[in-house]
Amino acid sequence: DAGITQSPRHKVTETGTPVTLRCHQTENHRYMYWYRQDPGHGLRLIHYSYGVKDTDKGEVSDGYSVSRSKTEDFLLTLESATSSQTSVYFCAIQIRTPSLDTYEQYFGPGTRLTVT
Amino acid sequence: RKEVEQDPGPFNVPEGATVAFNCTYSNSASQSFFWYRQDCRKEPKLLMSVYSSGNEDGRFTAQLNRASQYISLLIRDSKLSDSATYLCVVPSGGSYIPTFGRGTSLIVHP
Repeated sequence: DAGITQSPRHKVTETGTPVTLRCHQTENHRYMYWYRQDPGHGLRLIHYSYGVKDTDKGEVSDGYSVSRSKTEDFLLTLESATSSQTSVYFCAIQIRTPSLDTYEQYFGPGTRLTVT
Repeated sequence: RKEVEQDPGPFNVPEGATVAFNCTYSNSASQSFFWYRQDCRKEPKLLMSVYSSGNEDGRFTAQLNRASQYISLLIRDSKLSDSATYLCVVPSGGSYIPTFGRGTSLIVHP
């Protein structure tokens, strides 16, 4: 258990409304990620963060923004939700494994978002 | 060539069978690799790390072939509970962005 929680776990919203998803970690890891997962596409990176106030775009960042004002929280905002943003959203943290000189990712339980 | 490719399956096998999945990758600089397991409507969970030539954990064996740029996951004595999607993950060289395959679906039936 990497101590990652996501909220809300389920949300239904209407097209055009703003939505914010929260990812919270308890272990002060530097790297945090937001992915969306859709049938036929696998996991796709939306945004990631490498520290407080340090974020960068992933491959599917259009229509999304993020913020990280504290190490433990990484927020994903859909400024004006569209039906194409109906998806399952996963947050992840990245932990270094010194013995392998590499990094492992651990995921939160996901948020199921439906935009009607 | 896509960065990480997996056969989507599904692989439909009886209990007790041995099944193997392959994953090919394009980034020859990658040094270590990962297999994740994802159950339906759940988050991906780390199953095994793969480095050097391979790794074994109980019924699961992961192997790496650098010359041909693929990794494999072998599951022996399949159980019903092994039914899931298996994702191959390749760290992207010196960056902190891993690349995920789309996954291989395994269905183990009685």
